[in-house]
Formats: sequence, C-alpha cells, structure tokens
Amino acid sequence: GEDVEQSLFLSVREGDSSVINCTYTDSSSTYLYWYKQEPGAGLQLLTYIFSNMDMKQDQRLTVLLNKKDKHLSLRIADTQTGDSAIYFCAVKDYKLSFGAGTTVTVRA
Amino acid sequence: NAGVTQTPKFQVLKTGQSMTLQCAQDMNHNSMYWYRQDPGMGLRLIYYSASEGTTDKGEVPNGYNVSRLNKREFSLRLESAAPSQTSVYFCASSESVAGAENEQFFGPGTRLTVL
Repeated sequence: GEDVEQSLFLSVREGDSSVINCTYTDSSSTYLYWYKQEPGAGLQLLTYIFSNMDMKQDQRLTVLLNKKDKHLSLRIADTQTGDSAIYFCAVKDYKLSFGAGTTVTVRA
Repeated sequence: NAGVTQTPKFQVLKTGQSMTLQCAQDMNHNSMYWYRQDPGMGLRLIYYSASEGTTDKGEVPNGYNVSRLNKREFSLRLESAAPSQTSVYFCASSESVAGAENEQFFGPGTRLTVL
C-alpha cells in the first residue's frame, strides 16, 4: 500500500509562515489532499492538487508538489492562533492513504 | 443539513463485549467509509461501501463487520471487543470513490475505550 510520511510536530510564531511537508511512495497517486483536524472534531478538507500540477494557491494556503521527489508541502501564510490543529496529508490512487498528521502549534 | 453524524460520541466497553457504531449522512452520497485513528498512525481505512448494497475491506478489517443499511446509513460492528480496538472511529462519506471531487466529509468521531 501507499506510505505517506509527515513530521509529527511544528511550532510557529503567530504571523510567520508555516510549512508542513509530506512524502509519499506511490507515483501513480492522482490526487493529493490536505486535511485539517481541530481538537475533538473530524477532518475537514483544506485543499487538494491534481498530480499534473506543480502548485496551487488558495488565499493563505499554497500547495507545492514535486512529483519527481514525491514531495508535497502546505504553506500557510500569516499563521494565526486559529491555525493550531493537526494537518494530514493524504494521497489517492483507488483509496485515500493518510499520513500520521503534523500537529501545528502557534505561539504568540 | 447535518452532514455526517455518528453515535455514540464516547463508549467504554469491557473485553469481549459487542457494540455497533452508527453513522448517517444526509448529503445523498453514494460512498461511505469507516476509519480508525490511532496516535502517530493517521487514519486507517477499516471498511468502505462504494455504493448502496456493496461493502469492501480496507486496510485493517479484522475484528469488524459493517452493514450498509441504506443509502444514508453505514454501521460498524465490533463482535467481541479487544483492547487493541481502543481508538477514535471516524465515519466519512463522499459522492463517489473516484475523482478529485471525491471530497470525503467526516463525522465528529466516536471515542471507544476497551478495558
């Protein structure tokens, strides 16, 4: 099956940019997703990118995809306290495979 | 429009007990999923139902059974609970299993502890 790896923790100062990284193994993955999970809640889709794209921007979010290195990143500009959450990378061939999640802590 | 609802929110079981986790969606989605979330492991797919009347095993199906009761409802049953099944269980639904527009909408989760 697909292996998806993420670093487990990220601490960032309020107002700075956050960059969350993800690597995956299956080059046939067609769609790649970023989900956000707030405490005690389910997952919410933030954004996704097609495998034939290099970059996608959506307001404060920028997704970069390097297919050669099988590397996906999510950049959050001007990080706010409300961005504190767990962020999951997920990749799709016939099903979604999730990484373990990166816990982002925003400090004042 | 409630989205995906799950009951119960919390449950404590003793080893060997059985229980059914309920999930319902009101978005007229064809596909539904059950995941478990364990610390440091992300979400793992237990079972899914691509459409009403079909169910398929996911990554970690052992110890579980599912029923797609109708288009709206997808239940997960633990016949004989074990401590290894202590986890947070999420139900999700999507329009279909294929395509980028296959956004999965998640329920709030059921926190299950097996003693």
